[in-house]
Amino acid sequence: DAGVTQSPTHLIKTRGQQVTLRCSPKSGHDTVSWYQQALGQGPQFIFQYYEEEERQRGNFPDRFSGHQFPNYSSELNVNALLLGDSALYLCASSLTQNTYEQYFGPGTRLTVT
Amino acid sequence: AQSVTQLDSQVPVFEEAPVELRCNYSSSVSVYLFWYVQYPNQGLQLLLKYLSGSTLVKGINGFEAEFNKSQTSFHLRKPSVHISDTAEYFCAVSVLKAAGNKLTFGGGTRVLVKP
Repeated sequence: DAGVTQSPTHLIKTRGQQVTLRCSPKSGHDTVSWYQQALGQGPQFIFQYYEEEERQRGNFPDRFSGHQFPNYSSELNVNALLLGDSALYLCASSLTQNTYEQYFGPGTRLTVT
Repeated sequence: AQSVTQLDSQVPVFEEAPVELRCNYSSSVSVYLFWYVQYPNQGLQLLLKYLSGSTLVKGINGFEAEFNKSQTSFHLRKPSVHISDTAEYFCAVSVLKAAGNKLTFGGGTRVLVKP
């Protein structure tokens, strides 16, 4: 049984560009959350998707947007990249929206130059 | 809103010695509590969780944690560490009965086990 998978593993972008990160949840899970982990810090919640809608959102600007597909996979889009967006982006899935346990993927390391 | 404070950013410890990682949280409502571990260049793995019941919870790899409601703490302990326990450890909370299960994390504690 595959766990949470994310692609790509690493990504280098230039300021002002746009980026799309992808996540496939653990089999049977229908809820996907995204977190940003800056170097040396704990993960920060970006948003959560359930039934193809954004259900919860953290304190991130509108440049961060997402999507969930009918197969429960998800994308995180970041527009107008800033140097400060450089971080490890983690995807987590859970069985349902109100299940306490979240399973994390290995993350996508984004570097903005 | 919830917040989590991990009081030690780094904890050096010798192999086979005990270790305690401290975590305090702030919340106006009841929360679930978690400890996650992150090995270098990897995602997060759940070590243990407190949902209800006994305040002493046991997790994987010999770790345990104790929930103290009066002190709003959830400290993590291991009686004897191994080199392989070198990693970063994160304490996190999630609000009970909220619509959605977002996690609020502390800043992390880096554990370096020395031979």
